[in-house]
Amino acid sequence: GAVVSQHPSWVICKSGTSVKIECRSLDFQATTMFWYRQFPKQSLMLMATSNEGSKATYEQGVEKDKFLINHASLTLSTLTVTSAHPEDSSFYICSAPIRISENSNQPQHFGDGTRLSIL
Amino acid sequence: GQNIDQPTEMTATEGAIVQINCTYQTSGFNGLFWYQQHAGEAPTFLSYNVLDGLEEKGRFSSFLSRSKGYSYLLLKELQMKDSASYLCAAPVAGAGSYQLTFGKGTKLSVIP
Repeated sequence: GAVVSQHPSWVICKSGTSVKIECRSLDFQATTMFWYRQFPKQSLMLMATSNEGSKATYEQGVEKDKFLINHASLTLSTLTVTSAHPEDSSFYICSAPIRISENSNQPQHFGDGTRLSIL
Repeated sequence: GQNIDQPTEMTATEGAIVQINCTYQTSGFNGLFWYQQHAGEAPTFLSYNVLDGLEEKGRFSSFLSRSKGYSYLLLKELQMKDSASYLCAAPVAGAGSYQLTFGKGTKLSVIP
């Protein structure tokens, strides 16, 4: 079954609206979560690393005031796209990494993604 | 830094075999991953190679040559449902966990 739950799976809203996307780790704690964005026919691009109890780390070119990340608990990270515009329309995916000490051959568990369409 | 290259698109016939190549340049090696991603869905894990050689898993196999910075994903007995993007990814060890850098993906189209 799913180990990372992402919600909502699909959002359609008007330009200027703020949209919140939730990413939950199920049955395990995730002190770190990753947020990716994928435009059509392009690869996954890391936007930011969400850190529980501290500020998120943003990749170059990603506006931290535009994409607000909150990681208030060990099982929940949220991404809020503030004042969304049509160019923010994309597929957003979160993931929770596996601890290296767990010696797993899967580095991350992915959520199912959120398709955001701004009209 | 990380640099991962793979072909943009490939087309193959149902029932055939296809090989998707990936070359990588990484600062520190922590293995190489292959993911499958259908349109509009999140990636799903296919394989992980950390040692040289071929890892076989059913119809899918993955090969790694660390000295050449090269990997390939081999898909046998292609089925229509194998039409998807295949992403090569290299992990970077961070603070106790892995961050992944993805290639741009190879879109595979399987035709009858």
